[in-house]
Amino acid sequence: EAQVTQNPRYLITVTGKKLTVTCSQNMNHEYMSWYRQDPGLGLRQIYYSMNVEVTDKGDVPEGYKVSRKEKRNFPLILESPSPNQTSLYFCASTSMGGLAKNIQYFGAGTRLSVL
Amino acid sequence: GENVEQHPSTLSVQEGDSAVIKCTYSDSASNYFPWYKQELGKGPQLIIDIRSNVGEKKDQRIAVTLNKTAKHFSLHITETQPEDSAVYFCAALGGWDSNYQLIWGAGTKLIIKP
Repeated sequence: EAQVTQNPRYLITVTGKKLTVTCSQNMNHEYMSWYRQDPGLGLRQIYYSMNVEVTDKGDVPEGYKVSRKEKRNFPLILESPSPNQTSLYFCASTSMGGLAKNIQYFGAGTRLSVL
Repeated sequence: GENVEQHPSTLSVQEGDSAVIKCTYSDSASNYFPWYKQELGKGPQLIIDIRSNVGEKKDQRIAVTLNKTAKHFSLHITETQPEDSAVYFCAALGGWDSNYQLIWGAGTKLIIKP
């Protein structure tokens, strides 16, 4: 089954404690991205990657890091989380070609609370 | 770069009636316009999309219309059912100055009243 898997689904942490949210896709997609969703603000892109070892900033990259060492994985790293990073996070992957070009497949989300 | 505005932010309709959600975009180079549905506790999922070479596309009770001259596109849901209750997002694929990224609307919470 084609899917994007995020872990953990829920996370409560404290300010300054480094954390990583993992994302994995099994569709051999070149493109992956991270979004945060906040009430009234829709989906805002944090970072994206168009292929292995190629990453770029989205609209709200401050306070986040990513890496793309393998095609299937795209972890989101918060080196020193702060309360304003409390949000719902989504990972997505997309094919860059073929009939499914531009269609984004989303994970189930990670709800993060930073105290 | 591309900017997408979506209205209304909340829409409440009686079961069986139609619902219309509208989006406008700013970049005339945009040529792909998807709609996503997000059910409670889940990630968004594509429900229908349209490319700029057509003006309308239908899939059962769902249709999308595109007016490239006016730079707006709309989602139409007919004969609404309780399972249509969700948050709907429109998006537009930006041009070079948006790094060819999908630019998202802020979302519409659709409530179907029984």
